[in-house]
Amino acid sequence: DVQMTQSPPSLSASVGDRVTITCRASQGISRNLNWYQQKPGKAPKLLIYAASRLQSGVPSRFSGSGSGTDFTLTISSLQPEDFATYYCQQSYSTFLTFGGGTKVEIK
Amino acid sequence: QVQLQESGPGLVKPSQTLSLTCTVSGGSISSGSHYWSWIRQSTGKGLEWIGRIYTSGSTNYNPSLKSRVTISIDTAKNQISLSLSSVTAADTAVYYCARDSGAVAFDSWGQGTLVTVSS
Repeated sequence: DVQMTQSPPSLSASVGDRVTITCRASQGISRNLNWYQQKPGKAPKLLIYAASRLQSGVPSRFSGSGSGTDFTLTISSLQPEDFATYYCQQSYSTFLTFGGGTKVEIK
Repeated sequence: QVQLQESGPGLVKPSQTLSLTCTVSGGSISSGSHYWSWIRQSTGKGLEWIGRIYTSGSTNYNPSLKSRVTISIDTAKNQISLSLSSVTAADTAVYYCARDSGAVAFDSWGQGTLVTVSS
């Protein structure tokens, strides 16, 4: 199975900060990588698919990059509604797996 | 816009079978090229993919759960079902159903349903 490792597990940031979250796959997965945002008590929400494609309705301050084993989710200017937990997910293998999550907290 | 709603018992006894249903509204479950997945999340933990079913009925399962899981589809009722046998406390989690957009990304999710395994 493809293991997904996210870093950092948590971070503290202020409104307006640029935030970067990384996701590393245990083997090459091309660009088969998706990012989700989850708020407490809610289902995850798709932000980015195919490594860099912005899901419809998602603000343009969210962006994704990477291919192979290393991927990045960037929030260009953190907004109050962006404090949440973010997960990556690989879709390369038929055994779909998620990263452990990165919790973005208010500094 | 498609909507998904999970339903089923909130409490299951150890060694019994957990059974959940996901009802899809706002569109036919058999239209488009979509997989329908079950995903779970233990309290305070990350997301674990359980398995998925295509509209044709073909399935893929998480190898660690495969021996205990069955996912089925009822196109007449617009529903997907999950059956997980021989449950233990480790199966206590919020269970979500989700639609794969075609890029194997989950673009629509149910609100989730908490299932507790306890005697």
